[in-house]
Amino acid sequence: SAVISQKPSRDICQRGTSLTIQCQVDSQVTMMFWYRQQPGQSLTLIATANQGSEATYESGFVIDKFPISRPNLTFSTLTVSNLSPEDSSIYLCSVRGTGLYEQYFGPGTRLTVT
Amino acid sequence: KQEVTQIPAALSVPEGENLVLNCSFTDSAIYNLQWFRQDPGKGLTSLLLIQSSQREQTSGRLNASLDKSSGRSTLYIAASQPGDSATYLCALYTNAGKSTFGDGTTLTVKP
Repeated sequence: SAVISQKPSRDICQRGTSLTIQCQVDSQVTMMFWYRQQPGQSLTLIATANQGSEATYESGFVIDKFPISRPNLTFSTLTVSNLSPEDSSIYLCSVRGTGLYEQYFGPGTRLTVT
Repeated sequence: KQEVTQIPAALSVPEGENLVLNCSFTDSAIYNLQWFRQDPGKGLTSLLLIQSSQREQTSGRLNASLDKSSGRSTLYIAASQPGDSATYLCALYTNAGKSTFGDGTTLTVKP
């Protein structure tokens, strides 16, 4: 299994600012992902964080809005830029193990944009 | 494209009742299926993982089954407790390396 921590757990930000979320995993993992969960909805994959190279973004998500860093196999950051109220969501870091490919999630970061 | 449906969207039961949550999918070329629990405002906790070659997995009061031929999985919860109240999501990981999540079933267990 993998234990994932995220910082911050929640934040309230003003429109037009940015928030950077950190994700730390207790073991080295190849596959790391960032998800968004808007109120009352299921999960939407934002991007796959690739170690040492640019993230792979899903349709509808762009690097300028959601820059991602992944300097090593245990850490990643997601920045949500130029915030608007529509960005108010829970952002979740996730990893997938090898072998059984079981997926694990962090506790989430609840972002409210005012 | 894989589609995952969870019915019902919400379920309310009295404490002690046994219940079944359903998950249906359209593409049987899956690597595994996972059931998660999510408490309000929190992350997802993995409950059970069923590999493609397996028919069921059990953990305590939980039992998950997988029938690829009919495109269905069920999560059985025995002797439900108020602490089981949460949203339950199923997720499929396909051979193409893609994950698809259902919208979840929100369970309320009344004391």
